[in-house]
Amino acid sequence: DQQVKQNSPSLSVQEGRISILNCDYTNSMFDYFLWYKKYPAEGPTFLISISSIKDKNEDGRFTVFLNKSAKHLSLHIVPSQPGDSAVYFCAASTAGNTGKLIFGQGTTLQVKP
Amino acid sequence: DAGVTQSPTHLIKTRGQQVTLRCSPKSGHDTVSWYQQALGQGPQFIFQYYEEEERQRGNFPDRFSGHQFPNYSSELNVNALLLGDSALYLCASSLAPTLADYEQYFGPGTRLTVT
Repeated sequence: DQQVKQNSPSLSVQEGRISILNCDYTNSMFDYFLWYKKYPAEGPTFLISISSIKDKNEDGRFTVFLNKSAKHLSLHIVPSQPGDSAVYFCAASTAGNTGKLIFGQGTTLQVKP
Repeated sequence: DAGVTQSPTHLIKTRGQQVTLRCSPKSGHDTVSWYQQALGQGPQFIFQYYEEEERQRGNFPDRFSGHQFPNYSSELNVNALLLGDSALYLCASSLAPTLADYEQYFGPGTRLTVT
């Protein structure tokens, strides 16, 4: 049972444009969501997070939106840069199991110069 | 500031053998979690150690066991290796039991190949 799903395996955008990565979840008990970025031969790096009591969190070029009714979150990167090319993972956790992150399958983002 | 380190980088084992992977957490962190990432998939939670005890466990068989030492470093042991155990094994550290426990810092991983 895949509780966190990233249905787009890959995404390609032009430098300077917006990148939108999507994530869906099924467990309504999730109360904290995170995005991680992973380069080849490196471990995932924490990017941005959002609590279920919010619907938006912004950090520089990165914004995460949460739609609890649709059980959907998205990561917006504006403007996209070639260095953003990586695999992006969506992850979720519950208050009772804060250390247990449930990851999606990942989306490979390619930003073309 | 030393990040999360893991050893070895790569490992090749034969079916039925046993393997031990090691992890040192980020400086100041006291909690270690282990994840398995199969090719093309996201990381899957194996278990978490805090205060030298297993705090949480994912859906992995008892062949997977761990240990945390007083200096917070950790080991992951896998017995009776199967071909399906071939994966990237990631170690992550965090501060528990604060909110920062959600935000985990990952090491580069150990690539295990079982032949």
